[in-house]
Amino acid sequence: AQSVAQPEDQVNVAEGNPLTVKCTYSVSGNPYLFWYVQYPNRGLQFLLKYITGDNLVKGSYGFEAEFNKSQTSFHLKKPSALVSDSALYFCAVRDNTDKLIFGTGTRLQVFP
Amino acid sequence: NAGVTQTPKFQVLKTGQSMTLQCAQDMNHEYMSWYRQDPGMGLRLIHYSVGAGITDQGEVPNGYNVSRSTTEDFPLRLLSAAPSQTSVYFCASSYLQGGVNGYTFGSGTRLTVV
Repeated sequence: AQSVAQPEDQVNVAEGNPLTVKCTYSVSGNPYLFWYVQYPNRGLQFLLKYITGDNLVKGSYGFEAEFNKSQTSFHLKKPSALVSDSALYFCAVRDNTDKLIFGTGTRLQVFP
Repeated sequence: NAGVTQTPKFQVLKTGQSMTLQCAQDMNHEYMSWYRQDPGMGLRLIHYSVGAGITDQGEVPNGYNVSRSTTEDFPLRLLSAAPSQTSVYFCASSYLQGGVNGYTFGSGTRLTVV
């Protein structure tokens, strides 16, 4: 069965430093992978996706993610964090019936 | 604005009461789903639908009913509310085959059962 794991409940980073939020996946077949962000008291917003093609995917707000098939990972990255990036981040994989399976989420805290 | 609309935004229920959470989308999406979000557990799928007249159970369906009489609407019914159903509920929709950007989410309904 498809699944995703986000091993870190929280990631703390200083403003201006690079950030990484980790995600690993388990799927049969080719993975369709997504990152979503949730700001306080809001719904989830799409950040980026990997369907096929280049392993480095660029998304909204300067975020990017690197697909690594051998390590079954899809880590979210940003070269220079902003305080406004502080939010809850979810990795998700789409199964073959169009359902999205979500990780448990990682809270990103960017300190000034 | 096009999107997914959820009502109400907040609700407090007493144990044993019933209620319906409303979800409507105006993007002509075939696929609609309901998730609940609980701390440390991410989003868990309750029910989903791939089109009008078709519904199926997700990971945590007990205590909830759904129906899909139109493409636009996908209400979630709590039959007899329990404190364990205190959660934030999200409705999401997409074209079949996941669309281009996965799902579009509503802004959520925060439900408290006392």
